[in-house]
Amino acid sequence: AQSVAQPEDQVNVAEGNPLTVKCTYSVSGNPYLFWYVQYPNRGLQFLLKYITGDNLVKGSYGFEAEFNKSQTSFHLKKPSALVSDSALYFCAVRANTGGFKTIFGAGTRLFVKA
Amino acid sequence: KAGVTQTPRYLIKTRGQQVTLSCSPISGHRSVSWYQQTPGQGLQFLFEYFSETQRNKGNFPGRFSGRQFSNSRSEMNVSTLELGDSALYLCASSRDGTDTQYFGPGTRLTVL
Repeated sequence: AQSVAQPEDQVNVAEGNPLTVKCTYSVSGNPYLFWYVQYPNRGLQFLLKYITGDNLVKGSYGFEAEFNKSQTSFHLKKPSALVSDSALYFCAVRANTGGFKTIFGAGTRLFVKA
Repeated sequence: KAGVTQTPRYLIKTRGQQVTLSCSPISGHRSVSWYQQTPGQGLQFLFEYFSETQRNKGNFPGRFSGRQFSNSRSEMNVSTLELGDSALYLCASSRDGTDTQYFGPGTRLTVL
């Protein structure tokens, strides 16, 4: 069965410092991997995705993620955090298991302190 | 291009009632998925529709149902509401289900 793990409930980082939000996955076959961000009382906003190709994927708002097949990881990164990056981040995997289905991680709350 | 819209945005119902939520996908998108988001369970997949057919279903009781119309708009229905059905219900659309899903703002359902 496919699954996604976000091992940290919360990540705290100072503004201007680099940030990493971790994600590992388990799926049969080739996964489609996504990161979404959710602001309070809003739906999810797409940040970036990995389907195939270059392992380093660049997305919206300066975020990037690195796909590591051997470690089955897809960590979200940003070189310099902003206070406005504070939000809830979800990693998701989508795979064809007799029909496409997206499984989301539990989410990681990011706090960026000024 | 307009985004995914969901109506209503907020809903208050009492136990035992039923409710219908609506989702209009991005123009040209044929796949619509529904998710339930709660603080305790996170985001859970309800079902996915493509071209009016349910392609995939999550592990929810039969009280949760949905449908998709020929214009790709989708509705989900919850019958015999329970307190535990209180949640944010999110709808997401994509072109064919294999690519990026774009989410609506959600419908906040409160069951009293």
